[in-house]
Amino acid sequence: ETGVTQSPTHLIKTRGQQVTLRCSSQSGHNTVSWYQQALGQGPQFIFQYYREEENGRGNFPPRFSGLQFPNYSSELNVNALELDDSALYLCASSPPGGGSPLHFGNGTRLTVT
Amino acid sequence: LAKTTQPISMDSYEGQEVNITCSHNNIATNDYITWYQQFPSQGPRFIIQGYKTKVTNEVASLFIPADRKSSTLSLPRVSLSDTAVYYCLVAGGYQKVTFGTGTKLQVIP
Repeated sequence: ETGVTQSPTHLIKTRGQQVTLRCSSQSGHNTVSWYQQALGQGPQFIFQYYREEENGRGNFPPRFSGLQFPNYSSELNVNALELDDSALYLCASSPPGGGSPLHFGNGTRLTVT
Repeated sequence: LAKTTQPISMDSYEGQEVNITCSHNNIATNDYITWYQQFPSQGPRFIIQGYKTKVTNEVASLFIPADRKSSTLSLPRVSLSDTAVYYCLVAGGYQKVTFGTGTKLQVIP
């Protein structure tokens, strides 16, 4: 069974640029959520996708957007990067059924200079 | 969303049992309690989940009192490799899951 995989593992961008992060969900998982984790903090919920639709969003501006594909993989796009966007971006998938545990990838470390 | 409160940090010697308690006073009827472990630069890893009473798996036990307003993660005989941040989450259904700041456990040789 393949777990959640994220790419790339590390990325350096310049302020104002755009970035796309990718996530492949675990087999059989149809729900994907994205988190931002700043150094020393807990993961902060960005949004969740279920059946290719966004069905929950945290306190993040519209320049954070996402997609989910028919195979349940997902992308996180961030436009107009700011220095404060530097963080570890985590993707998590979960199987059908409410209350199921999240399965996380190891994240993408984004550095904005 | 049920807010959780955990100790910021704990120290323990190798071989001891460690209990980390989480308070979640406004837990909802359909909420589950889930604990995750996170090492630096890695994603959180699922440890254990429960709804009420006691749950045990190969790595930990989870104790939940009848009122469900708190829970205790018990790690038997910790080793140095258990040094990590431990998060308690309370959520149910397809709702956004919010992490707190977690408990940083330091295991001392």
